[in-house]
Formats: sequence, C-alpha cells, structure tokens
Amino acid sequence: DTAVSQTPKYLVTQMGNDKSIKCEQNLGHDTMYWYKQDSKKFLKIMFSYNNKELIINETVPNRFSPKSPDKAHLNLHINSLELGDSAVYFCASSQDRGTARYNSPLHFGNGTRLTVT
Amino acid sequence: DAKTTQPPSMDCAEGRAANLPCNHSTISGNEYVYWYRQIHSQGPQYIIHGLKNNETNEMASLIITEDRKSSTLILPHATLRDTAVYYCIVRVYSGAGSYQLTFGKGTKLSVIP
Repeated sequence: DTAVSQTPKYLVTQMGNDKSIKCEQNLGHDTMYWYKQDSKKFLKIMFSYNNKELIINETVPNRFSPKSPDKAHLNLHINSLELGDSAVYFCASSQDRGTARYNSPLHFGNGTRLTVT
Repeated sequence: DAKTTQPPSMDCAEGRAANLPCNHSTISGNEYVYWYRQIHSQGPQYIIHGLKNNETNEMASLIITEDRKSSTLILPHATLRDTAVYYCIVRVYSGAGSYQLTFGKGTKLSVIP
C-alpha cells in the first residue's frame, strides 16, 4: 500500500500548456505539501495545506495553484507552463495537529518529473 | 534558509559505520532535528528525528550534543544501498499549527565496496 502516491510519474508537455499533478495520501494525515526539486537538486517547499486551508505559500508564481478537495488529496495545477518549470515535484504529508504536532515526520511521494519543451 | 550545515560529501567503506555530522547552532528549544535521505531521484525517505536525547531505530542512531548545537547520524553497518544524499533538517514552526522542513544541500554519502 502506497502511503503517498502521485500521478503521473512522468509528464512531458509543451510551453504554454496547462497541466495538473495529483497527490493522495492514505495515512490519515491532516497536512499536505508540495516541494519542487530543480536541476541542481535543491528541494524547496512550495505550498502547505492543513485541513484544506493554505498555510504556507512560498514565493511561487501565481501560475501554480494548489487545490485540496479533501484532507487526503492535494493537487497542483500549473497554467501557462514555462521551460523553467521543468523539475521534479514531490508531494508529502504529515500529522501536524494534536499530540503529534512537534514531532511528526513528513512522508514523501516518489515524485513527478515534469519536462517542459 | 536551512538552519543546518553539513559537509558536501563523505565516503564510507562497506560494512563500516558511517558517521554523518551536522551543525545547527541556532536551533531553538522546541525544534526537532530530522534526518532524511534521498536515493537517486526517489522521494526523500525519513530516517530518524530527535529533540535532545539520543535516538535509535532500525535504520540508524542519532546522537545530539548536550547543547543541541550539533548532531551525528550513525549508520552502524553501511551497505552499498545506503549511498544517497543525507539531509539534516531543523523543523521550524511556520504558523497556524504547521511545521516546515527546509532542506539544505545535504551530504552525499558514497559507500565504497
């Protein structure tokens, strides 16, 4: 059973297109995240959602819009894709409320490799 | 910005213990130290975390100094499959009940046959 699953695993598309990446977690966690890993391998947080509420929104172009239909899902929609958006996008989840608030590990998915041509 | 500093790379002989150091001199009293690793291009894998006591699990041991300004991750018997980038992270409060992991550059550990 995959704890955090992302689809698709690979995504190749052309500049200007709009695409979505889906993420689901079956751990019962209340917080989900999107991270971006660029070609230099730096992992940077993009968004954090807690109980469907946006908590963290780092300096990310507004072409990127996270959508959380429920606690178990956090999708990432990207409009007008650019060459610089090519990267690996990782979804993660954790339990940040209650007794686990201080020491809850993040569980990551295996990533979506986005290539914009 | 990451609150940790790590050596960029280390080598370890297969079967020997791998000791990965990390400095986090600005850590606050309730901030935990987490260790993750990333094998090739897979998702980061949680290894261990701690606050001030030493911790051990089936993967590794974590030794935190008494002043909490540094820590060491110990892989007791390194195997070739432990070759990865290891990240030491201080998890900080980011508001509204959420805690953020900020990844630094990590240490690339190469286990040598």
